[in-house]
Amino acid sequence: DIVLTQSPDSLAVSLGGRATINCKSSQSVLYSSNDKNYLAWYQQKPGQPPKVLIYWASTRESGVPDRFSGSGSGTDFTLTISSLQAEDVAVYYCQQYYSTPPWTFGQGTKVEIK
Amino acid sequence: EVQLVQSGAEVKKPGATVKISCRVSGYTFTDYYMHWIQQAPGKGLEWMGLVDPEDGARMYAEKFQNRLTITADTSTDTSYMELSSLRFDDTAIYYCATVKAGRTFDYWGQGSLVTVSS
Repeated sequence: DIVLTQSPDSLAVSLGGRATINCKSSQSVLYSSNDKNYLAWYQQKPGQPPKVLIYWASTRESGVPDRFSGSGSGTDFTLTISSLQAEDVAVYYCQQYYSTPPWTFGQGTKVEIK
Repeated sequence: EVQLVQSGAEVKKPGATVKISCRVSGYTFTDYYMHWIQQAPGKGLEWMGLVDPEDGARMYAEKFQNRLTITADTSTDTSYMELSSLRFDDTAIYYCATVKAGRTFDYWGQGSLVTVSS
């Protein structure tokens, strides 16, 4: 099974500041035949199910604000919130769909306001 | 509008069995696999298994293999997740979710809280 390890477990960022979350995979999730990274990012607010933010490591889901961006390839990925807003307080998860089953998630990173 | 509506909260004793439903609307039930995902209190997301509503084929995570049954009823567009021999650490929110385009979990139910308590 692919293990995803996120860092940090939590971070506090000032309003308008930059939040950076890392996700490291135990093996590459880059599919060479189509040059796509099979990695997604989700946002989960309290009392709600997760919501897709990013797929293919860097493609924003429709309707997701452009302050959210994803980068990385192979085994190392980053989710960046360029200018943190109050509504971005949530737990963020990475998830791989390269080698399934099982579909696996990182342990989550909690983002708070400093 | 796609909707996945789950059954309500349950309280069960250790050793009991729980069965949660997930009724879908807004799309053709047999078009997408139905997945079930566990989220223990304050914990992350763990994929449990899936069912193909088209033919009933199932896949389960190894951790749940011996205690989990996922089914799909095409007459009511409803999927069921049954977990037996409940333990205290099965206390969690259980989500149903679908993968629309072969990548992410695009649609989720609202979650069903299962509490295992003596």
